[in-house]
Amino acid sequence: AQTVTQSQPEMSVQEAETVTLSCTYDTSENNYYLFWYKQPPSRQMILVIRQEAYKQQNATENRFSVNFQKAAKSFSLKISDSQLGDTAMYFCAFMKTGNQGGKLIFGQGTELSVKP
Amino acid sequence: GAGVSQSPRYKVAKRGQDVALRCDPISGHVSLFWYQQALGQGPEFLTYFQNEAQLDKSGLPSDRFFAERPEGSVSTLKIQRTQQEDSAVYLCASSAQGLAGGSEQFFGPGTRLTVL
Repeated sequence: AQTVTQSQPEMSVQEAETVTLSCTYDTSENNYYLFWYKQPPSRQMILVIRQEAYKQQNATENRFSVNFQKAAKSFSLKISDSQLGDTAMYFCAFMKTGNQGGKLIFGQGTELSVKP
Repeated sequence: GAGVSQSPRYKVAKRGQDVALRCDPISGHVSLFWYQQALGQGPEFLTYFQNEAQLDKSGLPSDRFFAERPEGSVSTLKIQRTQQEDSAVYLCASSAQGLAGGSEQFFGPGTRLTVL
């Protein structure tokens, strides 16, 4: 079975600074997807960034980038130039492909506070 | 069009009552997922539909939980004889593709169920 671990329950960062959220996962699969989702206090989950395991290049979306280390099974999220609107719960998630694929397996979440 | 919608947004039930939670996915989306999110935790998978077919119900915690999507669009999650441990936020998500492709799941705002 796959598991996802986020070891930082809470983090805080000053506005305009950079913060990195950690995520590790355990799987015997070779092909899979990894995601970071953001859940603001209003609770609607929003996709931040997506990584395909067979791609070595780290995904980037504007101020958000990942450091994907497949051998180490690590998938951290870096947020540059943090903004007040980045305050939210962040969930790392794993999705396997093929049979029984499609469902997301989430970590416990990291609550990020961006301070002015 | 509009995003994923869920109703009701809040539901209070007495222990032993039956409840029905509704999800309206994005129009045309093939896949529909239900997740359960306990307070302070990441969402956990309950069940998956591809069109009207329920392909995976491995996450349903007991036979008191039942889900359907009879016409391949709207879905209902029913919980019979509710227990206090059923108190959680129930999230619905839809995606455009089937199991392959690792496509983005779009989440609804959730239904917060409180069982007294």
